[in-house]
Amino acid sequence: KAGVTQTPRYLIKTRGQQVTLSCSPISGHRSVSWYQQTPGQGLQFLFEYFSETQRNKGNFPGRFSGRQFSNSRSEMNVSTLELGDSALYLCASSLADRTANYGYTFGSGTRLTVV
Amino acid sequence: EDQVTQSPEALRLQEGESSSLNCSYTVSGLRGLFWYRQDPGKGPEFLFTLYSAGEEKEKERLKATLTKKESFLHITAPKPEDSATYLCAVNPYEADSNYQLIWGAGTKLIIKP
Repeated sequence: KAGVTQTPRYLIKTRGQQVTLSCSPISGHRSVSWYQQTPGQGLQFLFEYFSETQRNKGNFPGRFSGRQFSNSRSEMNVSTLELGDSALYLCASSLADRTANYGYTFGSGTRLTVV
Repeated sequence: EDQVTQSPEALRLQEGESSSLNCSYTVSGLRGLFWYRQDPGKGPEFLFTLYSAGEEKEKERLKATLTKKESFLHITAPKPEDSATYLCAVNPYEADSNYQLIWGAGTKLIIKP
C-alpha cells in the first residue's frame, strides 16, 4: 500500500519567487492537512482540505494557499517567498473528515530553502 | 489556553537504560492524545492513540499511558534504533472545535550503544 507522497523532496528558491508543493494522499483518504515544521516553532498547522473544500486554516499569511483536487491530491502554494519560509513542509492524510481521532499518516516532506 | 508541553527537550540514554518521556496538557476536554515518532528529515510516524485516563498501549519497547493531566511514553531497554524525536499531540474537546491537533515541541531521544 503506497504511503503519502510529496514532491519535490528538496527545493531551493530565491526570495520573491513563488513555489508549489504537491501531495498525493493514501488511496481512499479524503482529508489532507499541511504543516510547516521549523526547529524553532515545531509543527505549525497551515490548512486542511476534505473533499476539495478547505475546512480549517491556521494562522499564516495569505501568501500561503492550497487546494485539493477531485482525486484528493493536494497542492500548496507560497507566493513572494521570504527567508523565513525556509522549512520542512509536511502533508498528512487521514481516512475520515473528523481527522484527528483517526490519526494522520505523514509524507516525508518537502525541504524548502529560500535564499 | 489549550497547551501541550513535552519534557525533557532532549534525553540521552545508554543502550538498555529505561526511562520515560512526559507530555502534559491543559485542555477543557480530551478527545484523544497521540504519540508520533519522527526521524531526521522524515515525516512523523504514528505510534499510539489514547482516549481516556488509565488507558495503556504497547508496541515493542514502548508503552504509552494516560492520566487526566499527562501522558507518559515509557521506553524499556532501548536500542540505538529508538533514537528519534517523539512528538505528542492532543485533540481537545470543545463545542466549536475545528478538530485540529495541538502539538508539543517534542523530545529528542538519543540512545548510545
